[in-house]
Amino acid sequence: QQQVKQSPQSLIVQKGGISIINCAYENTAFDYFPWYQQFPGKGPALLIAIRPDVSEKKEGRFTISFNKSAKQFSLHIMDSQPGDSATYFCAAVTQGGSEKLVFGKGTKLTVNP
Amino acid sequence: DTAVSQTPKYLVTQMGNDKSIKCEQNLGHDTMYWYKQDSKKFLKIMFSYNNKELIINETVPNRFSPKSPDKAHLNLHINSLELGDSAVYFCASRQRDRQETQYFGPGTRLLVL
Repeated sequence: QQQVKQSPQSLIVQKGGISIINCAYENTAFDYFPWYQQFPGKGPALLIAIRPDVSEKKEGRFTISFNKSAKQFSLHIMDSQPGDSATYFCAAVTQGGSEKLVFGKGTKLTVNP
Repeated sequence: DTAVSQTPKYLVTQMGNDKSIKCEQNLGHDTMYWYKQDSKKFLKIMFSYNNKELIINETVPNRFSPKSPDKAHLNLHINSLELGDSAVYFCASRQRDRQETQYFGPGTRLLVL
């Protein structure tokens, strides 16, 4: 039972392009949606997170868009750079509820020079 | 000044052996986790401890036994290693009220031959 579905599995973008990764969730009790970035050989690290009362959150070149009615959220990376090449995981959690983050299956992003 | 550290970084062993992986965090967090990341990069939670108490045990074979001697340490002992145990194991920790923000260690790459 996969509670957070992530797509695409892999993504290749040219330098300067926009990378878009999509996630959908089922459990309406989720109330916080973080994105994690994982470089090869490293552990995942929190990139950006959003609450469902906000439709968009931007931090530098990274933007999360959130559609509560559709139970979908996405990560947009503007002006993608080769240094953004990594695996990206969306996740969901219920604050004050279960201890666990529910992760999507990850998207491997490759940004070509 | 490493936040979450794991030892060893690499572990190559024979099937049937018993091995341990150690994790330490110096962030003062109460909650610690073990995750397994398979070859497809899927992150699967295994265990969660809160202040030395087991909170989550996600249908993990009982060959895996976590131990938390204090809230800064969470070790993972694996008995009778199997080929399917080959994966990268990540330790993570978080603050009590920040379920969306987990700090991951660098991972332990386990290869069972």
